[in-house]
Amino acid sequence: ETGVTQTPRHLVMGMTNKKSLKCEQHLGHNAMYWYKQSAKKPLELMFVYSLEERVENNSVPSRFSPECPNSSHLFLHLHTLQPEDSALYLCASSTHWDSYEQYFGPGTRLTVT
Amino acid sequence: GQQVMQIPQYQHVQEGEDFTTYCNSSTTLSNIQWYKQRPGGHPVFLIQLVKSGEVKKQKRLTFQFGEAKKNSSLHITATQTTDVGTYFCAGRVIVDSSYKLIFGSGTRLLVRP
Repeated sequence: ETGVTQTPRHLVMGMTNKKSLKCEQHLGHNAMYWYKQSAKKPLELMFVYSLEERVENNSVPSRFSPECPNSSHLFLHLHTLQPEDSALYLCASSTHWDSYEQYFGPGTRLTVT
Repeated sequence: GQQVMQIPQYQHVQEGEDFTTYCNSSTTLSNIQWYKQRPGGHPVFLIQLVKSGEVKKQKRLTFQFGEAKKNSSLHITATQTTDVGTYFCAGRVIVDSSYKLIFGSGTRLLVRP
């Protein structure tokens, strides 16, 4: 499946580093999402964008900064992260932000040392 | 806040046995979705249920939506090793005139050959 791609697939970063995660969808969808998946916890929705406009921000710390330059691309800028931020970060897209199924990317496995 | 509880957290079955996972919501859901995540993979959409009491089948998988639209179940008949993975439900609720998709914590299924 190549509808939603994410890079990098794996990332190890120190607490003082700045890095960015990239997501691209090739499905013509209008909505894109960032999720955090930690061990033994439900998927946590972080941000929702609809037509490049942020429509949802679920109390995410400011060390995570999203950017949506167009409806096909979504970034998550990371800076001064904590070890507890280590997780799988999943990007997803859907036709509209309140519509049916979401298509997930393969995720970026992030480790903060 | 709204929660979607999913049980069991983990189930280990012999190939050929049946398997069921249950989701319960504290509030009425507009609809419920089911996703499957293979080990090392990302969530993949399986189905959406919308109507009260709805039952849908996909080969050996049977999905039900409760009459009160607060609970749902996924039943797999005669499990196969290809069924291994984590099954998530995701309930859609209306909060402040907008939709939110809330994921359950998932049920991890292991199948002994």
